[in-house]
Amino acid sequence: GESVGLHLPTLSVQEGDNSIINCAYSNSASDYFIWYKQESGKGPQFIIDIRSNMDKRQGQRVTVLLNKTVKHLSLQIAATQPGDSAVYFCASSGYSTLTFGKGTMLLVSP
Amino acid sequence: NAGVTQTPKFQVLKTGQSMTLQCAQDMNHNSMYWYRQDPGMGLRLIYYSASEGTTDKGEVPNGYNVSRLNKREFSLRLESAAPSQTSVYFCASSAGTVGLLFFGSGTQLSVL
Repeated sequence: GESVGLHLPTLSVQEGDNSIINCAYSNSASDYFIWYKQESGKGPQFIIDIRSNMDKRQGQRVTVLLNKTVKHLSLQIAATQPGDSAVYFCASSGYSTLTFGKGTMLLVSP
Repeated sequence: NAGVTQTPKFQVLKTGQSMTLQCAQDMNHNSMYWYRQDPGMGLRLIYYSASEGTTDKGEVPNGYNVSRLNKREFSLRLESAAPSQTSVYFCASSAGTVGLLFFGSGTQLSVL
């Protein structure tokens, strides 16, 4: 079956550093990818998305990179702030619904 | 604009009790979903409704039933709660089944 996985369960960074969160997906037919942020006690919130006809997309302080050759995407957060501390999920389009990874916890220390 | 609204936010049940989790969205979305989230397991799809009048099983449907009451509302029912159903439940909606999902704030359910 298809799966979406993350390379690191926890990432600890210092405030001001750049953070990179990685995600691998297995369905080569996936054509839509999303990153979500989930703060403690809240539902996942949309951060940024990308379609398979692109390899990079930038938002405010965030960039998503997509490498379809190796079925890998990453989320880059520039100048990480304490408010960025959360669990980050990637999701990929599946056969009928989105498939979610298990999440990476980002811890930002001042 | 409320987005996706779930009720209740917290619930404690005894084994064997039944309850219904309610979900409503005001974004005129066609598709609605119920997920459960357990530590280390990520989000697992219980049931979804691609459009009004249809429902389909997800990854973990056993012990649950759903009703797509109308385009706005999608409820999740536990007929006989078990401790294994202790979890955080999220409702979500999207314009289409493989599109961007918008999530509610979750229901923390404990089954004793």
